[in-house]
Amino acid sequence: GNSVTQMEGPVTLSEEAFLTINCTYTATGYPSLFWYVQYPGEGLQLLLKATKADDKGSNKGFEATYRKETTSFHLEKGSVQVSDSAVYFCALRRNSGNTPLVFGKGTRLSVIA
Amino acid sequence: EPEVTQTPSHQVTQMGQEVILRCVPISNHLYFYWYRQILGQKVEFLVSFYNNEISEKSEIFDDQFSVERPDGSNFTLKIRSTKLEDSAMYFCASSEAGGRGDRTEAFFGQGTRLTVV
Repeated sequence: GNSVTQMEGPVTLSEEAFLTINCTYTATGYPSLFWYVQYPGEGLQLLLKATKADDKGSNKGFEATYRKETTSFHLEKGSVQVSDSAVYFCALRRNSGNTPLVFGKGTRLSVIA
Repeated sequence: EPEVTQTPSHQVTQMGQEVILRCVPISNHLYFYWYRQILGQKVEFLVSFYNNEISEKSEIFDDQFSVERPDGSNFTLKIRSTKLEDSAMYFCASSEAGGRGDRTEAFFGQGTRLTVV
């Protein structure tokens, strides 16, 4: 079946540090891949996505590249800010019909000044 | 900016009681979803709904669960007889379209935290 595995948290970084949150997936076919973010007290928000191999999704300084050969979609940011503190969820969705998202467990990021 | 709204934000209920979680999807969206997250675990898909019927459901969505779109704006999740293990954060989501493409992005509400005691 389809599944997503992401690195365990929590992750604590100092402001301006480099961030990597690892995400690997198992899926039949070629899914679309997503990163969602949940800020404290808010719902899940789409951060970025990639729909085919070698696509790079980017938003708000975050990037992730769809790597078919390693079945990965790692999230990176070159310089984190305190306002990036949130829970980050990697997810996939099959590219056929109206299919649901399959999420990872989420990784809590805390950025300290 | 349009958003998905869920009420209540937190509900406490006794085991065996019925609960209804409410959601107002974005007004021009046609596809609706419920997900849940048990504390410390993955966000799990429960059910998707389109054209006034369930289009897909997971193994979690058993006979104790039902969904309804009672009017043109609300989308509800009912749990008939709650169990302790139903305690979770329940997320509603909606999308403009299904399948592939930009209009399929799912927009999520803030969630309802259900606590069964």
